[in-house]
Amino acid sequence: AQSVTQLGSHVSVSEGALVLLRCNYSSSVPPYLFWYVQYPNQGLQLLLKYTSAATLVKGINDFEAEFKKSETSFHLTKPSAHMSDAAEYFCAVSATGGGNKLTFGTGTQLKVEL
Amino acid sequence: EAGVTQFPSHSVIEKGQTVTLRCDPISGHDNLYWYRRVMGKEIKFLLHFVKESKQDESGMPNNRFLAERTGGTYSTLKVQPAELEDSGVYFCASSLIGTSGRNEQFFGPGTRLTVL
Repeated sequence: AQSVTQLGSHVSVSEGALVLLRCNYSSSVPPYLFWYVQYPNQGLQLLLKYTSAATLVKGINDFEAEFKKSETSFHLTKPSAHMSDAAEYFCAVSATGGGNKLTFGTGTQLKVEL
Repeated sequence: EAGVTQFPSHSVIEKGQTVTLRCDPISGHDNLYWYRRVMGKEIKFLLHFVKESKQDESGMPNNRFLAERTGGTYSTLKVQPAELEDSGVYFCASSLIGTSGRNEQFFGPGTRLTVL
């Protein structure tokens, strides 16, 4: 079984500041890990994914995440926040070879202030 | 290329009524999924189709929910009779063939269901 914990349901940063959204996972098998973003009135869009290749994963819009097995973490970062990054972010896990079901965290609402 | 589409975008019904949600996946995607997000909680898996077959329906809450995917194209999710706790946003997603778990799932905008 898998589970995901996202620390902080709301995160606020200043424009230009570092964005750090935390995700910890639990999985009985090697996981695949995903970050999705949802802008208002839109569907979820994939930012990046970890599928057991490089542990540092780069995604769209300068986001990246690092898979740390020892810490069971997959935190999302972006060096410099932009107003357009304001959205809800979801971390998700699926099991390798165990079907495609995604298990999501509760989401983190990112607010970017001037 | 058209993305995943869902209809309706919003639905408000009374307790005891029936509602049918529709999802049109990306053309050529054999995998189709339904998820639900109840307000304030996480997005939860409901079920997974591979073509017209149910691969995994372990997340379906109870027998008031019926999902179909006739012909392996679009899918419907019927709730009958609806209860207050069924309120939430229902997402549909699709992905290419394969069940390795690594394929990106493309999500629709969701149907917001409100049961009064």
